[in-house]
Amino acid sequence: GENVEQHPSTLSVQEGDSAVIKCTYSDSASNYFPWYKQELGKRPQLIIDIRSNVGEKKDQRIAVTLNKTAKHFSLHITETQPEDSAVYFCAASGGYSTLTFGKGTMLLVSP
Amino acid sequence: DAGITQSPRYKITETGRQVTLMCHQTWSHSYMFWYRQDLGHGLRLIYYSAAADITDKGEVPDGYVVSRSKTENFPLTLESATRSQTSVYFCASSLVAEGDSPLHFGNGTRLTVT
Repeated sequence: GENVEQHPSTLSVQEGDSAVIKCTYSDSASNYFPWYKQELGKRPQLIIDIRSNVGEKKDQRIAVTLNKTAKHFSLHITETQPEDSAVYFCAASGGYSTLTFGKGTMLLVSP
Repeated sequence: DAGITQSPRYKITETGRQVTLMCHQTWSHSYMFWYRQDLGHGLRLIYYSAAADITDKGEVPDGYVVSRSKTENFPLTLESATRSQTSVYFCASSLVAEGDSPLHFGNGTRLTVT
């Protein structure tokens, strides 16, 4: 089955800096790569996703890039703010219907 | 979103007891899922369902039972709870297969097995 590795497990940045979280996947048939944000005590919520026919997608301060050849994808957050502090999960969906999640990255943005 | 609700929010039970976690969605989504979240493991799929009366195992199904007699409900039962099942459980739904539509999560149930 699919295996998703996510790095780093924790990331501390100063407000205004950029943050990058990286994921690799194993199943070359995977074609859908969402990112979820989970604030403390809350549910995970989708923040951005990308499909395998697209190399990059942006939404205001967040962007996701996908390298199908290398089987890795990354989340980029620019101009970080304290409210960006949360756990971020990447995920990949293979040829069947279920998502496999990475283990998460705790992002801490200090004022 | 109020469209998917889980109950209870918190539950404490003893080892060996049966406990059922409830999940209800009002979107008429075809797919429903149960995940458990543990520190260091992220979100792991327990069971999922593509439609009423169709269920399938995920990554960690042992010790759990599900049913889906109605599209809107997807209860998860721990037949004989163990301490290793202490976790936060999230129910989720999606309109179609996950590759084509996002997951919507419930608020979660924090289960403690003593």
